Amino acid sequence: KAGVTQTPRYLIKTRGQQVTLSCSPISGHRSVSWYQQTPGQGLQFLFEYFSETQRNKGNFPGRFSGRQFSNSRSEMNVSTLELGDSALYLCASSPPVGVRGQQFFGPGTRLTVL
Amino acid sequence: AQKVTQAQTEISVVEKEDVTLDCVYETRDTTYYLFWYKQPPSGELVFLIRRNSFDEQNEISGRYSWNFQKSTSSFNFTITASQVVDSAVYFCALSEEGAQKLVFGQGTRLTINP
Repeated sequence: KAGVTQTPRYLIKTRGQQVTLSCSPISGHRSVSWYQQTPGQGLQFLFEYFSETQRNKGNFPGRFSGRQFSNSRSEMNVSTLELGDSALYLCASSPPVGVRGQQFFGPGTRLTVL
Repeated sequence: AQKVTQAQTEISVVEKEDVTLDCVYETRDTTYYLFWYKQPPSGELVFLIRRNSFDEQNEISGRYSWNFQKSTSSFNFTITASQVVDSAVYFCALSEEGAQKLVFGQGTRLTINP
């Protein structure tokens, strides 16, 4: 079974631009979560989608948004980029049954904002 | 609010030494789940173990062992006879019942020197 895939793996943007990151979960997984990892703040939860609905949201400004498609693939968007948005963005998917709470992570997208 | 504390920011040992990574958590929930993840330089978070709040049995998996103590709200991780390949950042995480949201500690960077 293929793991969680994220595209692109690396991205360079400038302040003020917007960016869209993509995540394809493991086949059969319907829950997708997003996390931001920075040296200063560590790993922080952004949001979770399940069956195309946002089910949980972290403490991030409205510039951070996401969506999920009917095939469970998810995208997250960051508008009006700031230097502080430079981070590793990790996506994780969870199986519908089985080990509750367990998440399988993708390799991440490293975003650099100049 | 949930919180995970990994007081050890960095640990450096010589190969074959035993090493313990500490994790202390805070939660008001009676049902919760604890995790350990490993993050090698590639960036992907690799699942190591999951424990639910009702299962205080210690677990051993090869050179890895985990000690869960609800009385002290701790979930410590020990690597026996460490190897260079164990070098990575290790994260302890907590999730509440029914939520696909992980609260991570700040991580412990473990370096095993040959």
